[in-house]
Amino acid sequence: QQQVKQSPQSLIVQKGGISIINCAYENTAFDYFPWYQQFPGKGPALLIAIRPDVSEKKEGRFTISFNKSAKQFSLHIMDSQPGDSATYFCAASRPFFSGNTPLVFGKGTRLSVIA
Amino acid sequence: NAGVTQTPKFRVLKTGQSMTLLCAQDMNHEYMYWYRQDPGMGLRLIHYSVGEGTTAKGEVPDGYNVSRLKKQNFLLGLESAAPSQTSVYFCASRKRGTGRHRTDTQYFGPGTRLTVL
Repeated sequence: QQQVKQSPQSLIVQKGGISIINCAYENTAFDYFPWYQQFPGKGPALLIAIRPDVSEKKEGRFTISFNKSAKQFSLHIMDSQPGDSATYFCAASRPFFSGNTPLVFGKGTRLSVIA
Repeated sequence: NAGVTQTPKFRVLKTGQSMTLLCAQDMNHEYMYWYRQDPGMGLRLIHYSVGEGTTAKGEVPDGYNVSRLKKQNFLLGLESAAPSQTSVYFCASRKRGTGRHRTDTQYFGPGTRLTVL
C-alpha cells in the first residue's frame, strides 16, 4: 500500500511559469509534510515543510498548500527557473510520540524548466 | 561539519559477493536511515536505527543487514549480492527532539551507486 501518492511523474514548465506538484496521503496520523529537492548525482535536501495546523507555507518562490480534509498537499514553484530543474519528493511522517517515525516518500516528480 | 558522508561512492559487485556500505554523520544525530532509490520507485526505507545499538526493519529489508555500533556510524551489509540490489543507496540522519526542540529534518548523504552483475 502506497502511503503517499505523488503526481505527476514528470513535468515540463516554461521559464517564468508555475510548477505544481501534488501529493495525497492516507494515514490521518501524519503530522509533518516535507518536500525534498534532489539534483542529479546528489542526495535529497529539504526544501520546505508544513504541519497540519496551517493551510499554506511560503518560502521565497516555493509554497506548500495543505488541505487536511482532502488529505492532499501540493508544492507550487512560482517564476520557475532552469535552476529549479530537479526531482522533487513529497513525504510524510507521524509524530515522535507515536513511535519510530521514518519519513514515507512519494515516488518523485522530475521537473524540467525550459527557457 | 561534513554532515553525512558515505563510503564508497561507486561499487561494482558480482552476484554472490558481499560488501558493506559505511555511513558516517558528525551532527550527533540519534536517528539514522538507509534508503534505496530506483527509477520510478522513489526512496524506499531499508533499515533504520533510533540509537546506538538499535536497528529496525523498514519497507524493503530482505537481503540486507545493518549495524549501529557507534552513534556516528551506520553500516549496511549485503551478504550475497543479487542483481535486484543494483541501486543507488542513500543514508540519512535526523536529530531526536520533542516539543519545541523537535526537529524533523533528515539530512542525506551523497549516495552510493551499486551495480551487481
